[in-house]
Amino acid sequence: GQNIDQPTEMTATEGAIVQINCTYQTSGFNGLFWYQQHAGEAPTFLSYNVLDGLEEKGRFSSFLSRSKGYSYLLLKELQMKDSASYLCAVRDLSGYSTLTFGKGTMLLVSP
Amino acid sequence: ETGVTQSPTHLIKTRGQQVTLRCSSQSGHNTVSWYQQALGQGPQFIFQYYREEENGRGNFPPRFSGLQFPNYSSELNVNALELDDSALYLCASSPGHQGGNTIYFGEGSWLTVV
Repeated sequence: GQNIDQPTEMTATEGAIVQINCTYQTSGFNGLFWYQQHAGEAPTFLSYNVLDGLEEKGRFSSFLSRSKGYSYLLLKELQMKDSASYLCAVRDLSGYSTLTFGKGTMLLVSP
Repeated sequence: ETGVTQSPTHLIKTRGQQVTLRCSSQSGHNTVSWYQQALGQGPQFIFQYYREEENGRGNFPPRFSGLQFPNYSSELNVNALELDDSALYLCASSPGHQGGNTIYFGEGSWLTVV
């Protein structure tokens, strides 16, 4: 089985940097995904890590440590439109696109 | 735009009825997965189809069933609807190999059971 844990809510100020942590336990690891989900909409792909280290993509970066079962999503230069739920999901070795999601972290960006 | 389309976008059903939700996967993607997302929760895996065969299933009862067609589009069927089935139903498609990061979601179908 798998267990994904991430904070329920976070708040930050426009222009700031925020780090959203995710810890996981899995019987077989085949990649970690971060998705952004605005209220009432489908998840949008942000990043993917399968090897240890940092992946940077514009204002968003994601880090993975497989030995610690730990990842974080770093959002820089926060904008109001970044207010959304951020979902951490782990893929195991049982299927091609079978993801186990955390409950999501609701990020509120204030002026 | 992910290239994954779902229909209908919203629907209301009565407890005990049956519902069919549809998904067209992105071109070239032969694997489709379905997820249920209750309000305030992360998506939960229902099942996955690869080349018209179910090859993975989450912790959902048999009244949740599906199909995948030769063009890789898919259906999710739910029989004997219960109030707790009210949720956003998401379809995700991928090219079907275990590596890579190309897992894209459709816009979802909002189901309300009354």
